[in-house]
Amino acid sequence: EPEVTQTPSHQVTQMGQEVILRCVPISNHLYFYWYRQILGQKVEFLVSFYNNEISEKSEIFDDQFSVERPDGSNFTLKIRSTKLEDSAMYFCASTYPPNEQFFGPGTRLTVL
Amino acid sequence: GENVEQHPSTLSVQEGDSAVIKCTYSDSASNYFPWYKQELGKRPQLIIDIRSNVGEKKDQRIAVTLNKTAKHFSLHITETQPEDSAVYFCANKLVFGAGTILRVKS
Repeated sequence: EPEVTQTPSHQVTQMGQEVILRCVPISNHLYFYWYRQILGQKVEFLVSFYNNEISEKSEIFDDQFSVERPDGSNFTLKIRSTKLEDSAMYFCASTYPPNEQFFGPGTRLTVL
Repeated sequence: GENVEQHPSTLSVQEGDSAVIKCTYSDSASNYFPWYKQELGKRPQLIIDIRSNVGEKKDQRIAVTLNKTAKHFSLHITETQPEDSAVYFCANKLVFGAGTILRVKS
């Protein structure tokens, strides 16, 4: 069964550094999403992406964040200058509407 | 924006008992209501969903009910088992509820 994949599984970075989190959505899916989950808290929506552009974004998704689909398979989340509070699990998801979202296994980001 | 309230935050039940988790939402135009189960350190996994054209959907021991007038939907787990212990999230559009920690005691 096709799955969403994410790399790396764990990323450790210094405050102020840039990080890029990578996702490979399911191949025939059309909508792509990034969520984050701070340890012990709820899943929070960051951004959705459709037809090569952002379709929705939350208040969390400020100028420090950007997304890109550089080729036909990868979907990336970039954080330009990481802060301590960016430490969280980041989940990518994809969907072929109107069906369910499929989540990737997540990338744990630790900012020191 | 859309708001999703989920209750209770924790729920402990004895094995074999039923568990009910409830969510309320604010957007009356919503038409898709999923429930996710998340085990420790794992991704959220869809366990059941319901669309606004039905009031109830069942899948073995799990059921979801939807009351569009009252804007709430509930997850029902019957004959709970220890492996049902996890965090359960409801969602509406792109907004997740705060989660319910379900503990099934054997």
